[in-house]
Amino acid sequence: ELKVEQNPLFLSMQEGKNYTIYCNYSTTSDRLYWYRQDPGKSLESLFVLLSNGAVKQEGRLMASLDTKARLSTLHITAAVHDLSATYFCAVGGDMRFGAGTRLTVKP
Amino acid sequence: GAVVSQHPSRVICKSGTSVKIECRSLDFQATTMFWYRQFPKQSLMLMATSNEGSKATYEQGVEKDKFLINHASLTLSTLTVTSAHPEDSSFYICSAPRYSVWGTDTQYFGPGTRLTVL
Repeated sequence: ELKVEQNPLFLSMQEGKNYTIYCNYSTTSDRLYWYRQDPGKSLESLFVLLSNGAVKQEGRLMASLDTKARLSTLHITAAVHDLSATYFCAVGGDMRFGAGTRLTVKP
Repeated sequence: GAVVSQHPSRVICKSGTSVKIECRSLDFQATTMFWYRQFPKQSLMLMATSNEGSKATYEQGVEKDKFLINHASLTLSTLTVTSAHPEDSSFYICSAPRYSVWGTDTQYFGPGTRLTVL
């Protein structure tokens, strides 16, 4: 059974700082997704990563995928308050979700 | 852009009643849709995969007779929570994949349905 682990689960950071969220998964998969969820809301798609070495960037967020290591990272550059949310990775065609990382960006 | 809608967005019901939640893909067809449940401050748990024209595939531990799924058309899947109990109170979210011409898919999530069973 595919297991997906995210860390950290909670992340409090100051504006302007950089940080990385990690997503490990247990079995080979051909795709990995990153989502954002604001409190009380549904999910917003951020990135879809389909191949080893894939890197995608949108604004202050950059996601990468290493299928050999079964690891994806979501890097936050110069965080701003608007990035405060919960971030999930999900793996595989049937979307197994990690536990989520609750990010709080403080002024 | 592609949109997935859910109805209702919020429902409060008495214990023992049944509740139907609709998930619609508004501008694309979806032969597959996914149903998730999310408890407060927890991750999404896949409940079942809804397949148009055939039976849904349920995840281990999800009761088929309690959570009835019907994928009636290429744009509509319904989840019925039968004989709901307070422990069924949760946020239910559906998603549908939309495929590009290159075969890649983007999952579009519905806005969710918050079910409260009294």
